[in-house]
Amino acid sequence: EVRLVQSGGGLIRPGGSLRLSCEASGFTVSTHYMSWVRQAPGKGLEWVSVIYRSFTTYYADSVKGRFTMSRDNSKNTLYLEMNRLRADDTAVYYCAGPSGDLHDAFDVWGVGTLVIVSS
Amino acid sequence: VMTQSPATLSVSPGQGATLSCRASGNINGNLAWYQQRPGQAPRLLIYNAATRAAGIPARFSGSGFGTEFTLTITSLQSEDFAVYYCQQYNNWLTFGGGTKVEIK
Repeated sequence: EVRLVQSGGGLIRPGGSLRLSCEASGFTVSTHYMSWVRQAPGKGLEWVSVIYRSFTTYYADSVKGRFTMSRDNSKNTLYLEMNRLRADDTAVYYCAGPSGDLHDAFDVWGVGTLVIVSS
Repeated sequence: VMTQSPATLSVSPGQGATLSCRASGNINGNLAWYQQRPGQAPRLLIYNAATRAAGIPARFSGSGFGTEFTLTITSLQSEDFAVYYCQQYNNWLTFGGGTKVEIK
């Protein structure tokens, strides 16, 4: 069974830092690409970042320069390092991606982790 | 930019529903549809515009190419009332704003 187990998240003050983790099982996260997607309360889905097989990363303009996505192949785990957090970063953060190289859609999703940025 | 319409669709159980997704530029067939129930992560329904993901019932079907795409749900079941998102993966990764399918 393919699965993504997320950890991290919580309440953090504006300007603070937080690291999210996403451990995969049943597939290899380095096979194709993986992403972080977030959803602010009552809002739609927003793509945040992507890491390709080559370790190349790209970010949404809203987080560029503040967030860093990385991957540890030995642990089959993704990370999202979030710095200089702002109130509008408050959201449920999902790791997601294709579990293989059959297609590019996100057929595996973590359950999400809530990040609240508030003083 | 991905634009979904309508924002909300009121449908009676057993009736059908047609959801639209428009891309601001040509995305070929690189489009997926997701279903999100309250409190849950999104679930992949359709990829490559028209291919059902594993385990998705045949009442869900997708069509379209280029800039105009449609998700059709025939005979809505109670578990189908949810929010649906389209996503393009032709050029970066972008989600539409979603369509909420509610009980009429």
